[in-house]
Amino acid sequence: ETGVTQTPRHLVMGMTNKKSLKCEQHLGHNAMYWYKQSAKKPLELMFVYSLEERVENNSVPSRFSPECPNSSHLFLHLHTLQPEDSALYLCASSQRILAAHTYNEQFFGPGTRLTVL
Amino acid sequence: SQKIEQNSEALNIQEGKTATLTCNYTNYSPAYLQWYRQDPGRGPVFLLLIRENEKEKRKERLKVTFDTTLKQSLFHITASQPADSATYLCALVMDTGRRALTFGSGTRLQVQP
Repeated sequence: ETGVTQTPRHLVMGMTNKKSLKCEQHLGHNAMYWYKQSAKKPLELMFVYSLEERVENNSVPSRFSPECPNSSHLFLHLHTLQPEDSALYLCASSQRILAAHTYNEQFFGPGTRLTVL
Repeated sequence: SQKIEQNSEALNIQEGKTATLTCNYTNYSPAYLQWYRQDPGRGPVFLLLIRENEKEKRKERLKVTFDTTLKQSLFHITASQPADSATYLCALVMDTGRRALTFGSGTRLQVQP
């Protein structure tokens, strides 16, 4: 276990549904991240939070809406998704925000496998 | 354009041999580089970090080199075991800009008993 949990592990939803992914880290870290991993493609950064403040939004469509109520919890709210949004969604945390001289590694959760019908 | 390239074809080796995986990057100025292991259906797990001013880093059977002139990192697993079979990802942290990892697409390693 990495100290980062994600729920649910699997999710199937229709294009008109609204659902949320949840991530919790038990490591006392200050930074949290959402990544998308599609088959045969590199992990794509979606959002970065540092101390509950969003510091990066990597041109993600508005049908994905993140929320960080405190430094231990991160949500990804989903609505009116498209079939091409089907992927593994990974949450990660690091002690501090990654930057040139912080030399932090990231701790990943197990991911949520999302299928959009 | 910026690219991080890892061999997309699987690497098959015999147990006991040394596996060598390559990560090449173009048009990036990384402050440091990390290697992760990912098993099917699971999140990546951190293995090693190497800074731009370091040439080599070791941890048990793992060794990473970083050549900023060649813009390349090599990842070695010595005395490989079937349990080492997984996908290995390299990731960069830039000296400016984005405050997260930028990943390559990974190389799948298969160690045959």
